[in-house]
Amino acid sequence: SQKIEQNSEALNIQEGKTATLTCNYTNYSPAYLQWYRQDPGRGPVFLLLIRENEKEKRKERLKVTFDTTLKQSLFHITASQPADSATYLCAPRGMNYGGSQGNLIFGKGTKLSVKP
Amino acid sequence: NAGVTQTPKFQVLKTGQSMTLQCAQDMNHEYMSWYRQDPGMGLRLIHYSVGAGITDQGEVPNGYNVSRSTTEDFPLRLLSAAPSQTSVYFCASSRLGVDYGYTFGSGTRLTVV
Repeated sequence: SQKIEQNSEALNIQEGKTATLTCNYTNYSPAYLQWYRQDPGRGPVFLLLIRENEKEKRKERLKVTFDTTLKQSLFHITASQPADSATYLCAPRGMNYGGSQGNLIFGKGTKLSVKP
Repeated sequence: NAGVTQTPKFQVLKTGQSMTLQCAQDMNHEYMSWYRQDPGMGLRLIHYSVGAGITDQGEVPNGYNVSRSTTEDFPLRLLSAAPSQTSVYFCASSRLGVDYGYTFGSGTRLTVV
């Protein structure tokens, strides 16, 4: 079955450093992958989408890479701030709706804590 | 725009009771879905819909029913609540097509005693 693994349940870093979160997937060949942020008691919020033919995508302080050979995506937050503290979810996605391949499959998330 | 609105925010049910979790979106999104989120399990897909009149099962559909009579609404029905259905439920919507992220509601925290 399709499996999504995010590198760790929790990541603690110092303010100003770069946070790097890892998402690995198996038994799956997603054409797209999305990243979400979730704050306690709230629903996930969409951050970035990257396609299989895009090696890297940037949005402000965020950078996502997608390596289909390694079956891995990396999510970077540069110059991290305490306000970046949240749980980050990766979600690979297939090409078509209909069947589990077409819907988002979420990893369990990595809880990032940025200390001042 | 309100986005995705879920009601109620909190609910306590007794085992065997039935109820409907409401989800409405005002973005004219064709795709809607229900996920449940449990500690250590992440988000799991219950049911989804790609348009009015069209629904299909996700990863964990047992014990839940859905219908999609309008584009805006996608209610989730618990037929006979069980303690295993204690969870936080999220409704999400998006435009059809893989280029779009999901918009999530704020969730319904359900406890079955």
